[in-house]
Amino acid sequence: GAVVSQHPSWVICKSGTSVKIECRSLDFQATTMFWYRQFPKQSLMLMATSNEGSKATYEQGVEKDKFLINHASLTLSTLTVTSAHPEDSSFYICSARDPRTGQGINEQFFGPGTRLTVL
Amino acid sequence: QKEVEQDPGPLSVPEGAIVSLNCTYSNSAFQYFMWYRQYSRKGPELLMYTYSSGNKEDGRFTAQVDKSSKYISLFIRDSQPSDSATYLCAMSEGTALIFGKGTTLSVSS
Repeated sequence: GAVVSQHPSWVICKSGTSVKIECRSLDFQATTMFWYRQFPKQSLMLMATSNEGSKATYEQGVEKDKFLINHASLTLSTLTVTSAHPEDSSFYICSARDPRTGQGINEQFFGPGTRLTVL
Repeated sequence: QKEVEQDPGPLSVPEGAIVSLNCTYSNSAFQYFMWYRQYSRKGPELLMYTYSSGNKEDGRFTAQVDKSSKYISLFIRDSQPSDSATYLCAMSEGTALIFGKGTTLSVSS
């Protein structure tokens, strides 16, 4: 399957600072990437859909000014958590659709996730 | 009622057992059904992908979809300790994936 990477895998920051998380598709071009958040023992919750060259589409209840998404190229999307607070501590996972697979319109490949801890 | 319901477990079985994992859903528009496996502190890995109703088999894994009952299953035959993970069902009618909470499976040797 297609490979998606994330960086960093783990980050600790102080309250009030900003953190940037990168998501890369390594062997394919992804016109659409997705950002999820997962709390312990909870399901993945879609935060936003990132489309290359256009504004991201945010899910209801997700603050677009707090979670800035940039999809500047076909292989890179970034999520910036601005003015982070302890309640933002979570596991952030990105995924990408590989247009080459042809198995369906929504087969997503996930990155390994980034664990964010805000002190 | 949540769109996708999945019993979180945990489910503990001995090595070699047959495992049955299930999800129910309420949205009859879902057409794409997936099972992901997630190891601790890792991203989900796609295991099985099914379109509409029916069965699909891949090695020790079998996915079943019953759209009339809004019920999907994943069967694991001859379970191995390496199958110990959280299994998430996911479904879609279009672009967005809706996930279940995941079932934590532990296979003991």
